[in-house]
Amino acid sequence: KNEVEQSPQNLTAQEGEFITINCSYSVGISALHWLQQHPGGGIVSLFMLSSGKKKHGRLIATINIQEKHSSLHITASHPRDSAVYICAVVSGGGADGLTFGKGTHLIIQP
Amino acid sequence: EAQVTQNPRYLITVTGKKLTVTCSQNMNHEYMSWYRQDPGLGLRQIYYSMNVEVTDKGDVPEGYKVSRKEKRNFPLILESPSPNQTSLYFCASSPRPGQATYEQYFGPGTRLTVT
Repeated sequence: KNEVEQSPQNLTAQEGEFITINCSYSVGISALHWLQQHPGGGIVSLFMLSSGKKKHGRLIATINIQEKHSSLHITASHPRDSAVYICAVVSGGGADGLTFGKGTHLIIQP
Repeated sequence: EAQVTQNPRYLITVTGKKLTVTCSQNMNHEYMSWYRQDPGLGLRQIYYSMNVEVTDKGDVPEGYKVSRKEKRNFPLILESPSPNQTSLYFCASSPRPGQATYEQYFGPGTRLTVT
């Protein structure tokens, strides 16, 4: 079973700072998801990665398959970025579903 | 609008009283799944379905049942709820059969309290 570790667990930063959230996993995967959970509880998918890098607005996600590591970066952070960010991996062929990290609770102060 | 709906959104019930949480998606997705989220434990998979009439256990299936008679619906059944099933439940779907490698669409969540 894949073990997924996220760091840091909690992060408080000032508006405008560059944010990095890390995710590492123990077993080779076919894909990795980054999810965002708003204070109201809803979950939205930010990225799905199987290699390389993806960018959407101020968000950038990278993955290094050999090192079993992924990072989520937020540039020019804003208070509306405050949320829990969750990494989830798909092992093998994907039929096993998702295995999740415990999440990173991000607070951006104005 | 593409969406996953869950009902009810909030439920307080008593131990042993059977309940069903419905999940429906309008995107013609093959893959559907149920998760529970608990403080300190994160999200964990309960059951998943790769297509109609195909279901399988996730990491924490004990005390739950599911069925997939139609592509759009994937209800979660608690035959005899217990307090340790108090949790926040999410249904999700994605387009590819047998693979969770495409974007996951999550329902809004169902907060269940069992007393």
